[in-house]
Amino acid sequence: NAGVTQTPKFRILKIGQSMTLQCTQDMNHNYMYWYRQDPGMGLKLIYYSVGAGITDKGEVPNGYNVSRSTTEDFPLRLELAAPSQTSVYFCASSYTIPYEQYFGPGTRLTVT
Amino acid sequence: GENVGLHLPTLSVQEGDNSIINCAYSNSASDYFIWYKQESGKGPQFIIDIRSNMDKRQGQRVTVLLNKTVKHLSLQIAATQPGDSAVYFCAENKGTGNQFYFGTGTSLTVIP
Repeated sequence: NAGVTQTPKFRILKIGQSMTLQCTQDMNHNYMYWYRQDPGMGLKLIYYSVGAGITDKGEVPNGYNVSRSTTEDFPLRLELAAPSQTSVYFCASSYTIPYEQYFGPGTRLTVT
Repeated sequence: GENVGLHLPTLSVQEGDNSIINCAYSNSASDYFIWYKQESGKGPQFIIDIRSNMDKRQGQRVTVLLNKTVKHLSLQIAATQPGDSAVYFCAENKGTGNQFYFGTGTSLTVIP
């Protein structure tokens, strides 16, 4: 089991560029999440999904989009990147709710 | 040593001592809580959880205490080791189930 994997590990974007952060889990979890973590802060939920084809907004969804076409994959799309989106992004999954979440290693994104 | 909440986000303890990390949660409807450990450059890692119908739960070298009257959660680490140095987050589900809300974290440093 690889658990939750994320790509890329690091990325630098220019203002206005777009990109997709990839997240894959091999634990057959229905629930998947995207968080962002700003320096010295806790994690804030961006979007989550309770199963393939079902997504919903979290605390801080503005500037992001997600899709969930399969159980395994939950990509996060940034459109028109802004400096305020500079952060570390974590993907997580869980078997059910409420239940412990398994986190990926994170993607460090810088927008300049 | 004892952390008395969000006003003291750092905690230093001697190796072998017990550590107590505190967390004040916000919502009386929260019925599930998790403690996570985050080492530098890594994603959060599950330590222990507790449901609101319990006051105490023990794991290996860790104990979580829940006081619903004052909305307070604590994590006790016995015989703290250098490998315990990390940032510790508490998370609550605020009764919604699908979403978890993370505190700002406490940085624990173990002095050899």
